Amino acid sequence: ELKVEQNPLFLSMQEGKNYTIYCNYSTTSDRLYWYRQDPGKSLESLFVLLSNGAVKQEGRLMASLDTKARLSTLHITAAVHDLSATYFCAGINRYSGGGADGLTFGKGTHLIIQP
Amino acid sequence: NAGVTQTPKFQVLKTGQSMTLQCAQDMNHNSMYWYRQDPGMGLRLIYYSASEGTTDKGEVPNGYNVSRLNKREFSLRLESAAPSQTSVYFCASSVNRGNTEAFFGQGTRLTVV
Repeated sequence: ELKVEQNPLFLSMQEGKNYTIYCNYSTTSDRLYWYRQDPGKSLESLFVLLSNGAVKQEGRLMASLDTKARLSTLHITAAVHDLSATYFCAGINRYSGGGADGLTFGKGTHLIIQP
Repeated sequence: NAGVTQTPKFQVLKTGQSMTLQCAQDMNHNSMYWYRQDPGMGLRLIYYSASEGTTDKGEVPNGYNVSRLNKREFSLRLESAAPSQTSVYFCASSVNRGNTEAFFGQGTRLTVV
């Protein structure tokens, strides 16, 4: 069964700084996802990483995947206050019942960016 | 385009009461999911449905039942609510099992007292 660990779980940083969130997973996952969640809101899909070495960028966020190390990273460049949110990574778990492959989520990284 | 719609958005139940959370998607997706989110726990899969007419247990199915009514709708039922089921429930859908980028509803905040 897939286990997903994120770190840090809480991060407070200043605007303009760079930082990286790490996501380790325990067994093979077909792909790796990153989601954003604002307080009291739903989850918004940020990135889908499909293969080893995949790198995707959107604005100040860049995600990468190393399947050999079972590691994905979400890098924040020159952070701005609007990026304050909780970020989740998730991999695909295959349950014994077969059928659809549900997502297994990390516990999330609560990111606060202070002006 | 509404995407994934959940009802209700908020609910308070007394211990032992029953209720059904409704979920509908208009994206013609085959697969649908129910997750619960608890503080510091991330999201955990309760049940999923690969396609119309099929359902399977996820990580935390105890105390819940589901029905895939048709391709659009996937409901979650609590037969006898317990305080441990206080949580935020999210429904999600994806094209199919091979393309599992999941799109989430707005969530149902359930409190069991």
